[in-house]
Amino acid sequence: DTGVSQDPRHKITKRGQNVTFRCDPISEHNRLYWYRQTLGQGPEFLTYFQNEAQLEKSRLLSDRFSAERPKGSFSTLEIQRTEQGDSAMYLCASSLGAGESYNEQFFGPGTRLTVL
Amino acid sequence: AQSVSQHNHHVILSEAASLELGCNYSYGGTVNLFWYVQYPGQHLQLLLKYFSGDPLVKGIKGFEAEFIKSKFSFNLRKPSVQWSDTAEYFCAVIKGKLIFGQGTTLQVKP
Repeated sequence: DTGVSQDPRHKITKRGQNVTFRCDPISEHNRLYWYRQTLGQGPEFLTYFQNEAQLEKSRLLSDRFSAERPKGSFSTLEIQRTEQGDSAMYLCASSLGAGESYNEQFFGPGTRLTVL
Repeated sequence: AQSVSQHNHHVILSEAASLELGCNYSYGGTVNLFWYVQYPGQHLQLLLKYFSGDPLVKGIKGFEAEFIKSKFSFNLRKPSVQWSDTAEYFCAVIKGKLIFGQGTTLQVKP
């Protein structure tokens, strides 16, 4: 399977714990996006990378959230001191793009986070 | 605030009925528009997209959408739905990142 993969698929944690999610994009894609989706809502943008550079972060991304893409390939999203409000599906997507050119984003299966 | 609005949150149809899902956006200038679908237990996948050219766009599985610039709309249509079209449908605008509407759940009864 050469699509976007995410790990883990499900994560249950206690409030206050740290969690880290991984996304492996489609190999030739230079852009990688993180979104968050809660029940009954569309996905909301969190942050995106072009190669290893983090180009944009949403105001939704509090100081407890950090994302990296160290070698321009896979990315990690870490949430520190989790809160119950962080419970959501975390989606990763990747695409090819340059400058103002935007192509289709391919989505992974998501990581479902439950904070107890 | 700039946004994407989907008017129908939950639609129930019988097989062979026609479908139209509304989508309006509030962004000015050039817009690139998408419809994504999420089948039960599967991840988001692209149905169709509009970047420029013919405002009537055809996508996969018999879906089409019409971009009407004067109405800031990009409604999704299908002449005859099937049970397998049961899914959640999301309209989105791309402004660097994708900005999604809240989604419409379509339930098709056999």
